Amino acid sequence: DAGVTQSPTHLIKTRGQHVTLRCSPISGHKSVSWYQQVLGQGPQFIFQYYEKEERGRGNFPDRFSARQFPNYSSELNVNALLLGDSALYLCASSSGLAGAGETQYFGPGTRLLVL
Amino acid sequence: SQQGEEDPQALSIQEGENATMNCSYKTSINNLQWYRQNSGRGLVHLILIRSNEREKHSGRLRVTLDTSKKSSSLLITASRAADTASYFCATDPSGNTPLVFGKGTRLSVIA
Repeated sequence: DAGVTQSPTHLIKTRGQHVTLRCSPISGHKSVSWYQQVLGQGPQFIFQYYEKEERGRGNFPDRFSARQFPNYSSELNVNALLLGDSALYLCASSSGLAGAGETQYFGPGTRLLVL
Repeated sequence: SQQGEEDPQALSIQEGENATMNCSYKTSINNLQWYRQNSGRGLVHLILIRSNEREKHSGRLRVTLDTSKKSSSLLITASRAADTASYFCATDPSGNTPLVFGKGTRLSVIA
């Protein structure tokens, strides 16, 4: 079975632009979570979606938004990009709600560079 | 904010030696997980230990959890060059919240 997939793998944008990152969870998984990992730090939670509803949000500005589709894939959108948004964006899926003892499986990430 | 703090931040050992990494956290948890990350790519799940467990083994990995001290350790025995990676602990705070990661330990295993 395929693991979690993310696209694109790399992306270069300029300040003020917007970006859409995509994630496909493991087949049968209903929960998708997004994390931001800046260089030298651990991943920071951005959003969790379960059964197409937002079930958690981290401490990120409203420029960050996400959604989950009926096939459980997900998109993360970031508007008005700042230099500080440069990071590795990780998607993770789990069969149930993350935080209920569920193991999260991570994709390879999308590396975003904002110039 | 990051709940977990790994110690040491970096560790360099010879192949065949054991590597021990520690993690401390601040609030009560449901479980604690360890992940490995190679070269800034995706995280690979290593092991999950629940709050009512004290020790767990998986192959060359041994994890302990001391909830009274709010700490965990990851032991990798007979290390190999392929174990070179960053290792993160992630806590699952009580309630339906996602994982909270520490800053990680960078392990270098020299052949």
